Amino acid sequence: SAVISQKPSRDICQRGTSLTIQCQVDSQVTMMFWYRQQPGQSLTLIATANQGSEATYESGFVIDKFPISRPNLTFSTLTVSNMSPEDSSIYLCSAQGRDRGRGEQYFGPGTRLTVT
Amino acid sequence: GNSVTQMEGPVTLSEEAFLTINCTYTATGYPSLFWYVQYPGEGLQLLLKATKADDKGSNKGFEATYRKETTSFHLEKGSVQVSDSAVYFCALTNNAGNMLTFGGGTRLMVKP
Repeated sequence: SAVISQKPSRDICQRGTSLTIQCQVDSQVTMMFWYRQQPGQSLTLIATANQGSEATYESGFVIDKFPISRPNLTFSTLTVSNMSPEDSSIYLCSAQGRDRGRGEQYFGPGTRLTVT
Repeated sequence: GNSVTQMEGPVTLSEEAFLTINCTYTATGYPSLFWYVQYPGEGLQLLLKATKADDKGSNKGFEATYRKETTSFHLEKGSVQVSDSAVYFCALTNNAGNMLTFGGGTRLMVKP
C-alpha cells in the first residue's frame, strides 16, 4: 500500500494570492491525480499529474489557474492561482500504483482551503 | 460521458440496522465499479470493488454486486455500527482505468 501526505492541511488565504499544495507518496506510483471537493459535494477531477511532462487537465480547469508539477514518481504540487472565494474547497491528491488494479487509488487527507 | 448517481443523504440509522445505499451508473464499455469511504477528517479509502458483471465486492461486512442489467452497484451491510458513520462514494473507472467518476456521496450517521 501507499501512504500519501499533503501540506498544508489547511490554510486561509486572501483573494488574489496563490497557494501551492504539496503531495508526497511514500513509494513510487504510476499515476497521480488532483481533485477538488467543494463543501458537501462530491469529488471533481482537476487533472492528472504526469511525471516529466505537462499535466492533463479536465474540462473546466486550465493550467494558468491550476499549474501542476510532478518532478518525480513520488511528489507533485498543485498551485491555486489568483484565488477567489469560489476556490474555497478541499483539494485532494491521489495516486495509483502498480500494486493496484485500475481505478484503485490511494488518497491523501486533503488540504482545506478558505479564501477570504 | 460516464456518470454515477447515488441516493442523497444523510441516512440516519440505529446501530445494528440494515443498510442500503443505492448507486446507479451510466457508462460506455466495461467499467469497474467501486465504493470509497471517507471518515471524518480523513481522505477517501477504497472500501470494495467489482470489475465485471455479477461480481460481488465485499469488505468489513459491506457488500455490493455489479448488476449490468440494471446498471446498479448498491452498497449493503446487514448490521451497521457507530464506527461506520462516514460519507460513502460510489465510483466507476473509464476503460483505460486512469480516471474515476464519483457519485455525489451519501452521508451515513449511525446512532447508538
